[in-house]
Amino acid sequence: KQEVTQIPAALSVPEGENLVLNCSFTDSAIYNLQWFRQDPGKGLTSLLLIQSSQREQTSGRLNASLDKSSGRSTLYIAASQPGDSATYLCAGGYNNNDMRFGAGTRLTVKP
Amino acid sequence: ETGVTQSPTHLIKTRGQQVTLRCSSQSGHNTVSWYQQALGQGPQFIFQYYREEENGRGNFPPRFSGLQFPNYSSELNVNALELDDSALYLCASSRDRPYNEQFFGPGTRLTVL
Repeated sequence: KQEVTQIPAALSVPEGENLVLNCSFTDSAIYNLQWFRQDPGKGLTSLLLIQSSQREQTSGRLNASLDKSSGRSTLYIAASQPGDSATYLCAGGYNNNDMRFGAGTRLTVKP
Repeated sequence: ETGVTQSPTHLIKTRGQQVTLRCSSQSGHNTVSWYQQALGQGPQFIFQYYREEENGRGNFPPRFSGLQFPNYSSELNVNALELDDSALYLCASSRDRPYNEQFFGPGTRLTVL
């Protein structure tokens, strides 16, 4: 069964702090893992895509890692800003064309 | 480059009615996937269309159906609406299969009364 779990469900940090969001998946046969940002009531914005053959991807203050053997991915956000406040979702892509999403981590960055 | 667009933005229907949601894929993308997102949950995969053919389906009943057109835009049809169908419906497009990066539209908020 292809399940994706994100911990914690909610996180509140002061501005400027570095933070890590966690994503775990039960089926290691993923083709890729994608991290998204979702603002309330809005669609998803793609942040980073890691193919199964890759270990990490970086974009600006964001760094995502993938460890298939342990079934884990992390999203590292450096020097957090209030504008980073949103829900962050990870999703594993599988060969049945299904993307399995976690329930998300709701991040609040306080000024 | 135009992103993924969806229409309508919001929709209110009553139980038993039928609804059609529309999605225009990003330029150069030939794959469209549909997702249902209930409040406070992650999106759930409904189905995917690749070059006008259904190419994978999640655990949704047959009253959820779809189409993809030659220009790769897509429709999601839901018959015999139920209260639990109230959700944000998202479509995502990508190049070729979904192994490439998926780009999402803003969603359609469906409320079933």
